[in-house]
Amino acid sequence: DAKTTQPNSMESNEEEPVHLPCNHSTISGTDYIHWYRQLPSQGPEYVIHGLTSNVNNRMASLAIAEDRKSSTLILHRATLRDAAVYYCILRDLNSGGSNYKLTFGKGTLLTVNP
Amino acid sequence: EAQVTQNPRYLITVTGKKLTVTCSQNMNHEYMSWYRQDPGLGLRQIYYSMNVEVTDKGDVPEGYKVSRKEKRNFPLILESPSPNQTSLYFCASSSHFTYEQYFGPGTRLTVT
Repeated sequence: DAKTTQPNSMESNEEEPVHLPCNHSTISGTDYIHWYRQLPSQGPEYVIHGLTSNVNNRMASLAIAEDRKSSTLILHRATLRDAAVYYCILRDLNSGGSNYKLTFGKGTLLTVNP
Repeated sequence: EAQVTQNPRYLITVTGKKLTVTCSQNMNHEYMSWYRQDPGLGLRQIYYSMNVEVTDKGDVPEGYKVSRKEKRNFPLILESPSPNQTSLYFCASSSHFTYEQYFGPGTRLTVT
């Protein structure tokens, strides 16, 4: 699996935007970029995914660099409930029909200050 | 409500005493999987199942068994637990047609 690099930790203030970066310089053309988060004492939770274009959903936005070697998860207004470990994961589009395994790295621990 | 449930949520047991951790999903998902999470090692896949009666090993299958007799259930069996299986276990499920995986709340297992 292609590798991702994320900062170990980031800090934000409540109601401010948060930009969580992820580097994936060895990404292949068929790798989707997924983001999951894990709140304290809970299982991982899907946030968003994309391939080439920027994506928006009710939880967040995903900005993907033109060369796809990096991406940024954007939380538009952080709340205390957004404090979690955020994982950037690459998954091969061609894995359909076989294992849908997610390879979790260490992620970024986001702290949100009131 | 769409969800993955696991039971028990917490379990303390002794070495060698067989146990089963249940996982059930109500979303009619074809794919189910088990992960363990350990400090410094992240989440690692134990076993997965692409559909009923179809299971395969993940990255760390030693000491575990699974079965998939019904679509909604995917139990994890530890026939002879050892202390190195002390961990936090997560079950996950997904449809073949979407990219989103749903995770259960976790089972914290301690083997003494």
